Amino acid sequence: NAGVTQTPKFQVLKTGQSMTLQCAQDMNHEYMSWYRQDPGMGLRLIHYSVGAGITDQGEVPNGYNVSRSTTEDFPLRLLSAAPSQTSVYFCASSGTPQRGRKWYNEQFFGPGTRLTVL
Amino acid sequence: AQSVTQLDSQVPVFEEAPVELRCNYSSSVSVYLFWYVQYPNQGLQLLLKYLSGSTLVKGINGFEAEFNKSQTSFHLRKPSVHISDTAEYFCAVSEGAGGTSYGKLTFGQGTILTVHP
Repeated sequence: NAGVTQTPKFQVLKTGQSMTLQCAQDMNHEYMSWYRQDPGMGLRLIHYSVGAGITDQGEVPNGYNVSRSTTEDFPLRLLSAAPSQTSVYFCASSGTPQRGRKWYNEQFFGPGTRLTVL
Repeated sequence: AQSVTQLDSQVPVFEEAPVELRCNYSSSVSVYLFWYVQYPNQGLQLLLKYLSGSTLVKGINGFEAEFNKSQTSFHLRKPSVHISDTAEYFCAVSEGAGGTSYGKLTFGQGTILTVHP
């Protein structure tokens, strides 16, 4: 298994440009999420999805859109990039509780995308 | 709502010395607790997790953590650190069984551990 993959690894945008960060997982996980990491602030949840066709907002959703048309893919779209969106973006996935097992929310993270908006 | 506070933003320590990275959380429901490590320019790797049972949890690379419900803490410890342990460490919490926010992790601000020779 490749686990969670993200592309691109690095990206530089100009203010106002749009782009899509790609995330894919091959573990058949239902839950996927996007975080941004900024110095001194840890990771903050942007959007998440509990399954194909279902998405919801996290702590910092403004300026970002998501969709989940398949179980494997969860792209993050920046509609009009701003310098405040300069950050490192991580995608994560986790499975669903199985019969007889306790719930737990271990998330598997991708390698990240470093985005700079000029 | 839940929150996580990592009490030290930076912890310098000499090689082979013991280290403790402190984490406190707040939540109105039962929780699951995690420690992740991030090496420079890499993603996050799970060190250990507390789900239930024994309050002393052992993880990879010789790290362990103790869940203290009365103190709402989940401090990370290692008896003897190595240069290779230099990294940023994140404490995270999610709601436990029956919680409505399945899969949503709340992270602390991170602690940068620097091990000096």
